[in-house]
Parts: sequence; C-alpha cells; structure tokens
Amino acid sequence: QKEVEQNSGPLSVPEGAIASLNCTYSDRGSQSFFWYRQYSGKSPELIMSIYSNGDKEDGRFTAQLNKASQYVSLLIRDSQPSDSATYLCAVNWGDSSYKLIFGSGTRLLVRP
Amino acid sequence: NAGVTQTPKFRILKIGQSMTLQCAQDMNHNYMYWYRQDPGMGLKLIYYSVGAGITDKGEVPNGYNVSRSTTEDFPLRLELAAPSQTSVYFCASRKGADTQYFGPGTRLTVL
Repeated sequence: QKEVEQNSGPLSVPEGAIASLNCTYSDRGSQSFFWYRQYSGKSPELIMSIYSNGDKEDGRFTAQLNKASQYVSLLIRDSQPSDSATYLCAVNWGDSSYKLIFGSGTRLLVRP
Repeated sequence: NAGVTQTPKFRILKIGQSMTLQCAQDMNHNYMYWYRQDPGMGLKLIYYSVGAGITDKGEVPNGYNVSRSTTEDFPLRLELAAPSQTSVYFCASRKGADTQYFGPGTRLTVL
C-alpha cells in the first residue's frame, strides 16, 4: 500500500515568519515529488517539484528531499496572508503511468 | 489554450441515477487522470489513461467507468449513483513527467 502522510494542521504562523510543511512517503521506489497549493473551492496548482536529494529553491519557496528518510518538506519564507491555503504533497507512483499519490494536505494559516 | 476543462461545475443527483462528467484538454497531453476529493481529504485516483484507447483503474474505481476514444476527451461515467459518491471530482492531464494540470472541478451531490 503506497501512502503519503501529512499533518492536517492547521499550521498557524505570523506574517513574515517561515512556514515549514512536512510529508513522509512509504514507497522507496518513488523518484518524483511535488507540492501543490489548493485554495478553498479551487483546484490544486503546482508550486514546487523536486527529484534529487537536497534543497531546491524558487523565490520564497524551498523544497527539501531526503530519500533515505523518505521525507520531503516545503519551507515558505516571509509568509504572507495570501499563502493561507492547503498544501498537498504528491509522490509519483513509481511506474511509467506518472500517477500521483496525494497526502491529505496541511492547512496553513498566515496571521496578519 | 483553454487548458483542462470540466463540465458541469455543479450537479445534484438522486440515488440510482447515472451521469457522465466531461473532461477535455487542448494541450495534446497523453496522460489523463480522474480524482475525487472528499471534504478535508487529499485526492484519490479513480481512473487514468496513458493514451487514446488505454485506460486503467486507480485507487478507488468502484462505481465508475471511463473511456478514452480521443487524445482530448476523458469522460467519467457514474452508474447507479450512491451518497458515498458525493465529492468534488477533478480531471487532470500531463505530458509525461511534465507538470500535471488540473481542471476546475465538478462538485457532485448525491441525495
């Protein structure tokens, strides 16, 4: 059974702080990892992808991957109220169909 | 490009009715997926397709059927609707390992 686990939150941080979101996965064969942001009532949108161990930075977002420990994290620096959303971690199924397994999401609240 | 489009946006069904959720993409993507998202939960894969004429089951296929006669369209059929199928349904597409794009979703209620 392939699983992706996330803390459901809510994670509440003050404006300007760093928000840290974590995700663990069960399939050691997974090679591709994604973070999606979903606003209430909207569809998910991709904000970060990461394929290799280490850090990947894009603006205020940094994704971190540790395949040995089977976890992936997302850091949001200088958090803004507009970052308040649910963040979904997704992992490739590990075969050629590029299917994604999603975690249940972490709700982030950024307090002004 | 319109991207991934879904119709209808909202629908209420009675128990035992059937319906088809429509999904289309104009990006020439070969991979297409149907997910359902229950309140406060992540997305569960219902069915997927790796190209026209090829479909396969995902994590939660029971009560659903799909077809893929063209690259652009991937309809999801609900037969004998049940309250457990009340959910938001998302269609998605991607070209291989590239970014997966989602449609706006269909909110379905079965009463």
